[in-house]
Amino acid sequence: EVQLVESGGGLVQPGGSLRLSCAGYGFTFSNFWMSWVRQSPGKGLEWVANIKPDGSDKYYVDSVKGRFTISRDNAQNSLYLQLNSLRVEDTAVYYCARDYLWGRSPWGQGTMVIVSS
Amino acid sequence: QSALTQPPSASGSPGQSVTISCTGTSSDVGGYNYVSWYQQHPGKAPKLMIYEVSKRPSGVPDRFSGSKSGNTASLTVSGLQAEDEADYYCCSYAGTSNWVFGTGTKVTFL
Repeated sequence: EVQLVESGGGLVQPGGSLRLSCAGYGFTFSNFWMSWVRQSPGKGLEWVANIKPDGSDKYYVDSVKGRFTISRDNAQNSLYLQLNSLRVEDTAVYYCARDYLWGRSPWGQGTMVIVSS
Repeated sequence: QSALTQPPSASGSPGQSVTISCTGTSSDVGGYNYVSWYQQHPGKAPKLMIYEVSKRPSGVPDRFSGSKSGNTASLTVSGLQAEDEADYYCCSYAGTSNWVFGTGTKVTFL
């Protein structure tokens, strides 16, 4: 079964940092673009970043450029998102997803990031 | 990178059809045939229902169909069933490997 499992969320103060992880199972991880998508409480989905299969190209939504860094370790079938200089408005459930068929499938169960003092 | 515009809600009776619109610009929906649709039940992760405007992944019922005209994409759910009550989000490629989601539509029974 193709599956993604995120971890690393938690409560952090404004200005703080956090590293999210996503482990992939049941597919050849190194063949696929991977994405992070977030959802603020009670709000809609927002694409955050994605990364090429070999990690050579990375793209970000404007609101996180310079603060978040996406990376991957294909040997460990893992995707990461380093969150720095966190703001209250970064509070959200963060999902990792496989880029598939010009869409995203599957998605992980999500990991909650709360930025609050 | 403004969110695509969807109606906040849509409703229909069991067995009827409901259509959700997703309006963008010529820089996203109108410029590429890379519109996808996602279904999200409360507390769950989104699920891909439609990709490349009108294609269904394996396992998605043919009650779900997609289309596009100009800068507006649409998702139609025919023969509405109880399990179709959920939030639906469109998503479009917006160039330079950027993606933009819609504002979301809650589908409920009348």
